[in-house]
Amino acid sequence: ETGVTQTPRHLVMGMTNKKSLKCEQHLGHNAMYWYKQSAKKPLELMFVYNFKEQTENNSVPSRFSPECPNSSHLFLHLHTLQPEDSALYLCASSQDSQAYEQYFGPGTRLTVT
Amino acid sequence: LAKTTQPISMDSYEGQEVNITCSHNNIATNDYITWYQQFPSQGPRFIIQGYKTKVTNEVASLFIPADRKSSTLSLPRVSLSDTAVYYCLVGDIVRGGSASKIIFGSGTRLSIRP
Repeated sequence: ETGVTQTPRHLVMGMTNKKSLKCEQHLGHNAMYWYKQSAKKPLELMFVYNFKEQTENNSVPSRFSPECPNSSHLFLHLHTLQPEDSALYLCASSQDSQAYEQYFGPGTRLTVT
Repeated sequence: LAKTTQPISMDSYEGQEVNITCSHNNIATNDYITWYQQFPSQGPRFIIQGYKTKVTNEVASLFIPADRKSSTLSLPRVSLSDTAVYYCLVGDIVRGGSASKIIFGSGTRLSIRP
């Protein structure tokens, strides 16, 4: 049990659909992250939230829209995605955004058709 | 940003000790060295972190020479369940550092055989 949960675990969506990924952490952490992991590629940091405020946006296309209503919940809203956006999307949390000990969720396997 | 270099893959057998070395020639004074483990279709899991000399926990040991330009993750008596990708990360965790410095490279794919 990592203390970080993600739903759904698998998602198939068309290019015109709108969907959201949800992440919840039960560790009392203050920072949360979204990562993207494509097949045979390194993890790519997408967004960082620290105390509910977005502190990092690594040049992510606007079709990905994060939301952090509180320190325990993180969403990634998806719309008009492309097939190349198919990947494993991982959520993580840490004590704060300077902490290198991150706790990852199991990920959402997204397929865009 | 300190770039890391690791072997792409390694093979070993159950019960052996496995050592994975990471090179980080331009490591900065404030940088720490962190290792993660990732199983297929799962998120990475923190293994160990160190600054210099040797760090040991219940899972692994981390050896860092005096010049800190490399580090070695040591897994004692591996089992089949240690088959995974291992990532070496180098960065500054002193307050004021940026999360964008957390860069996962390609990692080392470790395969353990019976």
